[in-house]
Amino acid sequence: DQQVKQNSPSLSVQEGRISILNCDYTNSMFDYFLWYKKYPAEGPTFLISISSIKDKNEDGRFTVFLNKSAKHLSLHIVPSQPGDSAVYFCAASHGRTGANNLFFGTGTRLTVIP
Amino acid sequence: GAGVSQSPSNKVTEKGKDVELRCDPISGHTALYWYRQRLGQGLEFLIYFQGNSAPDKSGLPSDRFSAERTGESVSTLTIQRTQQEDSAVYLCASSFPLAGDWANVLTFGAGSRLTVL
Repeated sequence: DQQVKQNSPSLSVQEGRISILNCDYTNSMFDYFLWYKKYPAEGPTFLISISSIKDKNEDGRFTVFLNKSAKHLSLHIVPSQPGDSAVYFCAASHGRTGANNLFFGTGTRLTVIP
Repeated sequence: GAGVSQSPSNKVTEKGKDVELRCDPISGHTALYWYRQRLGQGLEFLIYFQGNSAPDKSGLPSDRFSAERTGESVSTLTIQRTQQEDSAVYLCASSFPLAGDWANVLTFGAGSRLTVL
């Protein structure tokens, strides 16, 4: 049973526009959320995270929004750049400890068109 | 090395054969994890090693799967009598000991793509 869901397998955006990647989760015990970015032939790399005590976390062009009541989070990239083209994974954990407590979504492939 | 190294990058095998996948973590990273991603699925936790502690094997899907780690270095994931449903990308990650915001310091390897015919 997939506890973290990314319902859009792919997304295409023009360079300079906003990219919005969405993620839904089912477990209300999740209290820490992360986004990872993966280029072809490379492993996923950490991008940005948010704790459940916040509803927004910003890092440069990347902002993650958390809506706990809707069990939904989103990653905004503004402005989008061609180098942002990658697969983005949403992940969630509860208690922040325990490697078996980190659950990943299936990923969304973002293509930024020059 | 500078990153997490995995080998082979690609492996094609026949159903029923055994396979070994290798992971070289970042030097100094005492924690090592194996995940897998099957087609259309998210990353699934398989097993976790932390120093000399007993490994957390709670994610291993069956007794055909096993993993070993020598001290704080190389790890080998072994799949015996492979089945077609074992086809996946197997990802290894390493980190310093779990503490606080550990998940954002996982460093993943590029993965080993296993195809079972």
